[in-house]
Amino acid sequence: SQTIHQWPATLVQPVGSPLSLECTVEGTSNPNLYWYRQAAGRGLQLLFYSVGIGQISSEVPQNLSASRPQDRQFILSSKKLLLSDSGFYLCAFTSLVMNTEAFFGQGTRLTVV
Amino acid sequence: GEDVEQSLFLSVREGDSSVINCTYTDSSSTYLYWYKQEPGAGLQLLTYIFSNMDMKQDQRLTVLLNKKDKHLSLRIADTQTGDSAIYFCAESSYSGAGSYQLTFGKGTKLSVIP
Repeated sequence: SQTIHQWPATLVQPVGSPLSLECTVEGTSNPNLYWYRQAAGRGLQLLFYSVGIGQISSEVPQNLSASRPQDRQFILSSKKLLLSDSGFYLCAFTSLVMNTEAFFGQGTRLTVV
Repeated sequence: GEDVEQSLFLSVREGDSSVINCTYTDSSSTYLYWYKQEPGAGLQLLTYIFSNMDMKQDQRLTVLLNKKDKHLSLRIADTQTGDSAIYFCAESSYSGAGSYQLTFGKGTKLSVIP
């Protein structure tokens, strides 16, 4: 079965520190991978999506970057966190084969202090 | 670019029906989805509808699609307190190179009053 793992679940980091959130997918090959941010418990903002290894598209200019070192691994990073980076980050994937549902990770609550 | 709009809040009494509405702009949408997000959790797919359908029913859930007006609605019959959550409308459209992209609305927060 298809599953997605995202960690950590919660994170408190000081301003200026680096960030690395990891997401891995099981049970499917060559998925499309997504990072979303949900600020203040509301709407989803697409940050990055990837259609293959090393292929990253950025939707909005920001302090974050993403990488896809393996087919089923998606990493969200920052070299220096800002207060405005606080939020709820969600990783998701869709199957490339057909227009199927998106599977979401359980999310990471990031608080920058 | 593609846009998905939905009202931000809805409050209903337990036992009543809830109707959450959504409009979208991309006429090439192939699938439209409703996701549910409970507090502090990720999104879970509730139901979806293919763009050549105009209605889909699944137990207490009824999805209506008006493709001409690009309007999607989710009706929850006999709403329960456990239905309190944020509901996201999403549309999927082909973005090239064999890839489909999801666009989400901002979510409607459903509050169920006991």
